[in-house]
Amino acid sequence: SAVISQKPSRDICQRGTSLTIQCQVDSQVTMMFWYRQQPGQSLTLIATANQGSEATYESGFVIDKFPISRPNLTFSTLTVSNMSPEDSSIYLCSVLPGGETQYFGPGTRLLVL
Amino acid sequence: GENVEQHPSTLSVQEGDSAVIKCTYSDSASNYFPWYKQELGKGPQLIIDIRSNVGEKKDQRIAVTLNKTAKHFSLHITETQPEDSAVYFCAASSPFYNTDKLIFGTGTRLQVFP
Repeated sequence: SAVISQKPSRDICQRGTSLTIQCQVDSQVTMMFWYRQQPGQSLTLIATANQGSEATYESGFVIDKFPISRPNLTFSTLTVSNMSPEDSSIYLCSVLPGGETQYFGPGTRLLVL
Repeated sequence: GENVEQHPSTLSVQEGDSAVIKCTYSDSASNYFPWYKQELGKGPQLIIDIRSNVGEKKDQRIAVTLNKTAKHFSLHITETQPEDSAVYFCAASSPFYNTDKLIFGTGTRLQVFP
């Protein structure tokens, strides 16, 4: 398994601003993922972030809006840029330490006013 | 691509009763099916998973069954307790599209009343 932490745990932001979310894992992992969970909804994959390569974005998500960094095997950041109220969601990172099982962080709860 | 449907969306049971949540998937090549429990204010936690070469798996009060022919899998919780109250998500991954990519169901909100 893996222990994952996210910062901040929650935030309230003004529209037009940007927020960077950090994800830290307690062991080295090749694959990390970023998900969005809109209020009362399921999880939607934003992008896959592998160390040493550009993030791979899913349909409907673009790098200009959700830039991702992956500087090493234990850390990643997701930035939500030029925010609007529609960006209010829970943002989750997950890791794949090996095999098929993904482990999730506690999430960052974002409210955009 | 893969599509996962989950039913019911809400489920209320009395403490001690059983709860069953069902999911269907569209891609016959999918071969890994995890279940996650998400409590209020927390991230999803893996509670059980099953691979396509197995028909059933059990862990104490929790069991998962898989019917590959019908392309559906179910979560069974016996002797439910109030602490089982949460949102449960099923998921599937397909080696055809991306072994590491999970497609999630829409979630089931389970309420266990004492």
